[in-house]
Amino acid sequence: EAGVVQSPRYKIIEKKQPVAFWCNPISGHNTLYWYRQNLGQGPELLIRYENEEAVDDSQLPKDRFSAERLKGVDSTLKIQPAELGDSAVYLCASSGADTQYFGPGTRLTVL
Amino acid sequence: DQQVKQNSPSLSVQEGRISILNCDYTNSMFDYFLWYKKYPAEGPTFLISISSIKDKNEDGRFTVFLNKSAKHLSLHIVPSQPGDSAVYFCAASARTSYDKVIFGPGTSLSVIP
Repeated sequence: EAGVVQSPRYKIIEKKQPVAFWCNPISGHNTLYWYRQNLGQGPELLIRYENEEAVDDSQLPKDRFSAERLKGVDSTLKIQPAELGDSAVYLCASSGADTQYFGPGTRLTVL
Repeated sequence: DQQVKQNSPSLSVQEGRISILNCDYTNSMFDYFLWYKKYPAEGPTFLISISSIKDKNEDGRFTVFLNKSAKHLSLHIVPSQPGDSAVYFCAASARTSYDKVIFGPGTSLSVIP
């Protein structure tokens, strides 16, 4: 069974540029999560989807971050414009009935 | 304010010995606890969990102990193997929102051959 797929794996951009991350969850998983992991810290939830509905986006900085999950499968997380402090690993996870399964993450570096 | 704390950023253990990773939490609403393991350039993978109705859960070489009164849990790995070298995240959630998992900052375990 394929795991959670994320792309790109690495991204380097200059500040004020836009960037987008893509996630394909495990087949059949209705719940999808986007996390941000800063260096030396644990993952922090940005947004959680149940199918195509965002049910928890309380931690998403809505002035510059946006996300979508069209058709309740793949999801895209966008930052526009990126700031230096956005440098982090962005993790996508999905779950069926219980445990969350994580993708490998996208390491973003903002210069 | 960190709700899940792992006060040891790193730990080194000899192969074959016991590794003990500690975790403390502050939110009394937490009643389900998980440990995730993360290798470099990979996402975290689920390792073991425990519900607050138990004080111990065992899975092979891995055992998690929960002390609710102290709001403390620990992960024991016996015997430790070099392949166990990774970052271990303690995480917690509440019955009111099991999908909202709060992670600790992680402990980097090095098992020395």
